Amino acid sequence: NAGVTQTPKFQVLKTGQSMTLQCAQDMNHEYMSWYRQDPGMGLRLIHYSVGAGITDQGEVPNGYNVSRSTTEDFPLRLLSAAPSQTSVYFCASRKGLNNEKLFFGSGTQLSVL
Amino acid sequence: QKEVEQDPGPLSVPEGAIVSLNCTYSNSAFQYFMWYRQYSRKGPELLMYTYSSGNKEDGRFTAQVDKSSKYISLFIRDSQPSDSATYLCAMSARGNQFYFGTGTSLTVIP
Repeated sequence: NAGVTQTPKFQVLKTGQSMTLQCAQDMNHEYMSWYRQDPGMGLRLIHYSVGAGITDQGEVPNGYNVSRSTTEDFPLRLLSAAPSQTSVYFCASRKGLNNEKLFFGSGTQLSVL
Repeated sequence: QKEVEQDPGPLSVPEGAIVSLNCTYSNSAFQYFMWYRQYSRKGPELLMYTYSSGNKEDGRFTAQVDKSSKYISLFIRDSQPSDSATYLCAMSARGNQFYFGTGTSLTVIP
């Protein structure tokens, strides 16, 4: 089992560019989510999904889009990158909404210039 | 008021010391309490998981939950240089989102 796999590991964007952060899990988890981690702010939830075709907003959803067409994949799209989106992004999954063990990917470090 | 408060440190201890890491929280609905360890430039990994109040021990690690005081702790015995990392507390009410502390940076000096 690879667990939760994120790509790319690093990315530099210019303001206004768009990109997609990829996330895949091979644990057959229903629940997948995206967090951003900023110094002094901790991990903040961006979007989450409780199953294929179902997504919902977290604490800081503005400027991000998600979709969930398969159980395995949960990409995060930045529509028009802004310097405030410079952060480390983590994808995380768990078996279901009622399972409290959350597993994280290794992260994507994003810089927006 | 933040849902979860955690002293960011940094904390520096000599090898072999007992380390105590703590978090406080405000939401009495929280029932699940987790500790994650995060090495530099890596994702958080689940270290300890506790339901409701009480203690849980796993090797050199002990997690304590005091729901009456809304206070959780992680103790590391016989600390090793490999324990040097950032430790994040996390908690949730069943079926709801997780709330994370900001993390405590720990360095164990050989």
